[in-house]
Amino acid sequence: DVQLVESGGGLIHPGGSLRLSCAASGFSIFNHYMTWVRQAPGKGLEWVAVIQGGDTTRYADSVKGRFTVSRDTSKNTVYLEMNILRAGDTAVYFCARDGGAGGNFDYWGQGTLVTVSS
Amino acid sequence: IVLTQSPATLSVSPGESATLSCRASQSLSSALAWYKQKPGQAPRLLIYGAATRASGITARISAFGSGTEFTLTISSLQSEDFAVYYCQQYNKWPVTFGQGTRLEIK
Repeated sequence: DVQLVESGGGLIHPGGSLRLSCAASGFSIFNHYMTWVRQAPGKGLEWVAVIQGGDTTRYADSVKGRFTVSRDTSKNTVYLEMNILRAGDTAVYFCARDGGAGGNFDYWGQGTLVTVSS
Repeated sequence: IVLTQSPATLSVSPGESATLSCRASQSLSSALAWYKQKPGQAPRLLIYGAATRASGITARISAFGSGTEFTLTISSLQSEDFAVYYCQQYNKWPVTFGQGTRLEIK
């Protein structure tokens, strides 16, 4: 069965850094684009970043220059390195697998909460 | 690309049908997906390619549209259908989501 499990969230001060992990099982991340989507408390969904074939990456303007998405295919794990965190980055962060059409997401993790507060 | 969903909230009785709308600020061709999200859960893919049901999705859910106008219809509403529904475009990066429609029990 396909499974995605995020970890690494927590409480962090503004300006701090955090690395999220997304451990995949039941498929190889080498064969799929992998994406991060976030959801601020009580709000809608916001796409954050994607890592594509050949390790090409794309980012939302709101995180560009501060966040970095990467993957380790030997561990079948995707990462989101988040730097210079702001209060507006507070959200549940989901990782999701691209369904193959280049942008719709057929499997999601349960999410990990990041709270940026002093 | 901005996606506008309507209505923001839809109140429907169990057993009836509900139709949700999603309008795009520019043409998407058919690169539109629909998701359902219940409180405390991750979103679940319902529809991709504007009209194709994802694996395991009930036939009570149907979708239609192309270009800039899209609809999602859920017939014979059951308790598990009451949730927030999001449309999402993947015609152009960055992918974007609509603001959601909350489907509630009347």
